[in-house]
Parts: sequence; structure tokens; C-alpha cells
Amino acid sequence: DAGVIQSPRHEVTEMGQEVTLRCKPISGHNSLFWYRQTMMRGLELLIYFNNNVPIDDSGMPEDRFSAKMPNASFSTLKIQPSEPRDSAVYFCASNPTGPSYGYTFGSGTRLTVV
Amino acid sequence: GNSVTQMEGPVTLSEEAFLTINCTYTATGYPSLFWYVQYPGEGLQLLLKATKADDKGSNKGFEATYRKETTSFHLEKGSVQVSDSAVYFCALMINNAGNMLTFGGGTRLMVKP
Repeated sequence: DAGVIQSPRHEVTEMGQEVTLRCKPISGHNSLFWYRQTMMRGLELLIYFNNNVPIDDSGMPEDRFSAKMPNASFSTLKIQPSEPRDSAVYFCASNPTGPSYGYTFGSGTRLTVV
Repeated sequence: GNSVTQMEGPVTLSEEAFLTINCTYTATGYPSLFWYVQYPGEGLQLLLKATKADDKGSNKGFEATYRKETTSFHLEKGSVQVSDSAVYFCALMINNAGNMLTFGGGTRLMVKP
């Protein structure tokens, strides 16, 4: 089991550019979560999918952020246009349906917008 | 609603010291409880869990007991090592009510040799 795979590990981009972060959840896991982590705000849930359907996107900061899950093995988080305040580590996590499993997190993408 | 409160960090200890990181919770239903650890530059990893009252989760020398009467799930380790330096997150998930984790704010542990 390769775990949750995120790419890229690091991304540096200029303000105004489009950024796409990618996630491959663990096979068989029904739920997928995107988190953002900063020193100031800690760990924030951005959006949550269940069976590829977005369930709760109330954490998405604004319209510049969008997320998709076209199939059970792939999800993207897109920021367009990017701003310096978007600089953070973005984590993807997945879990199988059921209350006691917890989440498996990916290693994260460190985004720097200059 | 659901919430998790952890002690403020950073916690600084010498190697081989005893560790306690406090965690208390409020929950709208019956929760499962978790501790996650985040080492520098990495994602969160599940450290241990407990799914019902009086259960004790344990892993890598860490332990936590689900105390329903005090709504607590304190993390303990008898003898910490420098390699335990990390950020520790307490979390809960309500049983039979979806699978959303509610995290505490995290507690940074620094262990000095």
C-alpha cells in the first residue's frame, strides 16, 4: 500500500498564476479530504468528498479555490489566480467509510506564492 | 457542536522525562478518539485511537485512555526520546454520524538531549 500520494511536494509560483495540486487516495477509501496548514491558522478543512461527490466545501476560502474528484482514484485542488496569502502546506487525506478508522494523510504539498 | 481542546505548547522536556499532553473534548454524540503525530516536514500520522469508554490506545510507548466521565483523552509516555519531537494532535469522530474528524489545535513537543 503506497498510502495517499500527493504531487508535487513543493510548488513555487508567481502571484496570479494557476496552481493545481493533485492527490491519489488509498484504493478502497470512500472519503477524501483537503486540508490547509499554516502557522497562523493551523489545520483547516477545505473540502470533503464522499464517493467522489463533494459533501462539504464550506471551508474553501473563496471562489479562487476549486476542487474536483473525477473518479475514486484522483482529486485536484486548483487555485486560480494564486495570491501570496495562499502560501501554505496543503494536505490530502482519505479514509474508508466507518467511524473508527481515522484518516490517512499524504505528505503534503508546500505551496509558495511569490 | 464538537470540539477538542489541547494544552498550549510548546512543551519542552529533557530526554527520558515523563510526558503528558492534555486533551479534553465536547461531543454531540458518542465519539471515537484519536491522537495524530506530525514530524517536521511530514503529514499527520495516526498514533493511536480508542473507540469506546475505558479503552486504552497504545503505540510506540505512547498511551491514552478514553475517559468518558471527564471527557478526556490525555496522551502519556513514560520516557521521551529526542525522536519524539513533533506536533501532536488530538481528534474525535462521532460514531455513526459520518466520518468527519474534529482536530484540536496541536501541541508542539520539543525533547532536548
